[in-house]
Amino acid sequence: DAGVIQSPRHEVTEMGQEVTLRCKPISGHDYLFWYRQTMMRGLELLIYFNNNVPIDDSGMPEDRFSAKMPNASFSTLKIQPSEPRDSAVYFCASSPQGAYEQYFGPGTRLTVT
Amino acid sequence: RKEVEQDPGPFNVPEGATVAFNCTYSNSASQSFFWYRQDCRKEPKLLMSVYSSGNEDGRFTAQLNRASQYISLLIRDSKLSDSATYLCVVITNSGYALNFGKGTSLLVTP
Repeated sequence: DAGVIQSPRHEVTEMGQEVTLRCKPISGHDYLFWYRQTMMRGLELLIYFNNNVPIDDSGMPEDRFSAKMPNASFSTLKIQPSEPRDSAVYFCASSPQGAYEQYFGPGTRLTVT
Repeated sequence: RKEVEQDPGPFNVPEGATVAFNCTYSNSASQSFFWYRQDCRKEPKLLMSVYSSGNEDGRFTAQLNRASQYISLLIRDSKLSDSATYLCVVITNSGYALNFGKGTSLLVTP
């Protein structure tokens, strides 16, 4: 079975540009999570969804960040406008209802110059 | 103060050694605890859950001390393939949001 799929795997963009990260969770999983990982701050939860509904977005750093989940098999994380401090690895993870184990995608390595 | 604290290491140990990591958490209401493993430039993966009674999975043993609010991971007979970053994870509310420590780096040398 396919795991969590993320695209692109690498993204290099200039400051001020819009960036869209994509995620396809494991089929049948009800929860979807977006994380950001940096050396300084480690892994931080940005937002998570249950059955396509955002449950907790308290980790979203500011209004430049937005996330959507239009259906059970697709989610996006958008940064507009991007800044150099947004450079990080962004992970998407999913989990089934009632289970705490999360399955992570391979991540998107974002560099904003 | 971060909710989950870990010694970043690195821990450099020879093959066959026993190594232990600790992790402390700040919220006494924390409910669930895990160890994840992350290889270099890869995604985190669940290593094991941590139960109040302690649990063992092969060479790996996890312990929880609620009174002192810490979790431990013991690795016996270290293998080269155990080299990775070990992330302590705590769930502090009734939801499913994981709080990650920054990880402890382990390097097992020949």
